Amino acid sequence: QKEVEQNSGPLSVPEGAIASLNCTYSDRVSQSFFWYRQYSGKSPELIMSIYSNGDKEDGRFTAQLNKASQYVSLLIRDSQPSDSATYLCAVNPAGKSTFGDGTTLTVKP
Amino acid sequence: GAVVSQHPSWVICKSGTSVKIECRSLDFQATTMFWYRQFPKQSLMLMATSNEGSKATYEQGVEKDKFLINHASLTLSTLTVTSAHPEDSSFYICSASQGSYEQYFGPGTRLTVT
Repeated sequence: QKEVEQNSGPLSVPEGAIASLNCTYSDRVSQSFFWYRQYSGKSPELIMSIYSNGDKEDGRFTAQLNKASQYVSLLIRDSQPSDSATYLCAVNPAGKSTFGDGTTLTVKP
Repeated sequence: GAVVSQHPSWVICKSGTSVKIECRSLDFQATTMFWYRQFPKQSLMLMATSNEGSKATYEQGVEKDKFLINHASLTLSTLTVTSAHPEDSSFYICSASQGSYEQYFGPGTRLTVT
């Protein structure tokens, strides 16, 4: 079992819809959780961090964390074609993040 | 804030030569820097973690004599690929952390070994 698991996708949603990206992790002591966006040929960019159970909103992005169930999700509202990218979930139990393989999102105009 | 630069952005070298890649945190002091490698359409692969003034910690399977990492200051880390071969051609990305566990990535260096 991988430490951090994500559906590889591709996930395709129409423009304006809500995109839902999910991630599960195996290390129960993890305290820090991150979502990164990576465009093709570019390096990852941090878009959200979450440390406590519940929801955290930033613009069109909402991160959700449930430590009891060991999952973290990212919702993208009003999806735009510019959101088309690979989204990486990262979990940090002890100062070094472990990344999932990423979910590729395509937003169709 | 939290800007990380890398130099060069791309490099082509001949087989057998060495290449040095620089990673700088421009507006913060990075207590830890990470080096990753990514092949096309594959996930990030952590190569090593380095703390300023300490020897780097390499991931299993990464040759420390081939990939030399120096973290000379809180704003600079370098990765030297020694005796490069075509199979070392990849996208090398550094990231820096200032202790809050959030990692900020540099733009990456695309290495092609001919």
